Amino acid sequence: DAGVTQSPTHLIKTRGQQVTLRCSPKSGHDTVSWYQQALGQGPQFIFQYYEEEERQRGNFPDRFSGHQFPNYSSELNVNALLLGDSALYLCASSLVRQGVYEKLFFGSGTQLSVL
Amino acid sequence: KNQVEQSPQSLIILEGKNCTLQCNYTVSPFSNLRWYKQDTGRGPVSLTIMTFSENTKSNGRYTATLDADTKQSSLHITASQLSDSASYICVVRGRGTYKYIFGTGTRLKVLA
Repeated sequence: DAGVTQSPTHLIKTRGQQVTLRCSPKSGHDTVSWYQQALGQGPQFIFQYYEEEERQRGNFPDRFSGHQFPNYSSELNVNALLLGDSALYLCASSLVRQGVYEKLFFGSGTQLSVL
Repeated sequence: KNQVEQSPQSLIILEGKNCTLQCNYTVSPFSNLRWYKQDTGRGPVSLTIMTFSENTKSNGRYTATLDADTKQSSLHITASQLSDSASYICVVRGRGTYKYIFGTGTRLKVLA
């Protein structure tokens, strides 16, 4: 049973470029959330996707956008990269019907470095 | 502003010893609180999940407590092992939201 897989594992970009990160949820999961984790900090919520719609968004600018596909996989796109976007980007999947006991399963993340 | 604060920031203990990590939150209304373990360079792994009606939850050598009145939680690790070396993150979800608010974590180092 495959867990949450993210690609690529590492990425180096320059300021102003655009990047796409990918996530495949754990088998059977229908909800995907994206988090940004700066060094030494806890993850910050970017947004959550369910039924191919953005269900909730955190305090991130419109440069951050996403998509969920019919197979529940998801992409995170970041445009006009800034140095401050350098971070570990984590994808978490869950099953909406678990309700309050919804258990988040995280991937190992994509380490993005912006030069 | 909804916040989750953890203490201490870091902790060093000897193998076999016990330790307790603290979490205070201001998220209101409250839905549930979780503790996660995160190894360096990896995604967090769930240890416990508690709703406002639960005040203790155990997972092996990990025991979490919750006082929803004072908005405090603790994670107690018994008979620590070298593999317990990691960051432990307290996470809170408010009622009526899908957003989880993460603390900055306690970095635990277990020495032989």
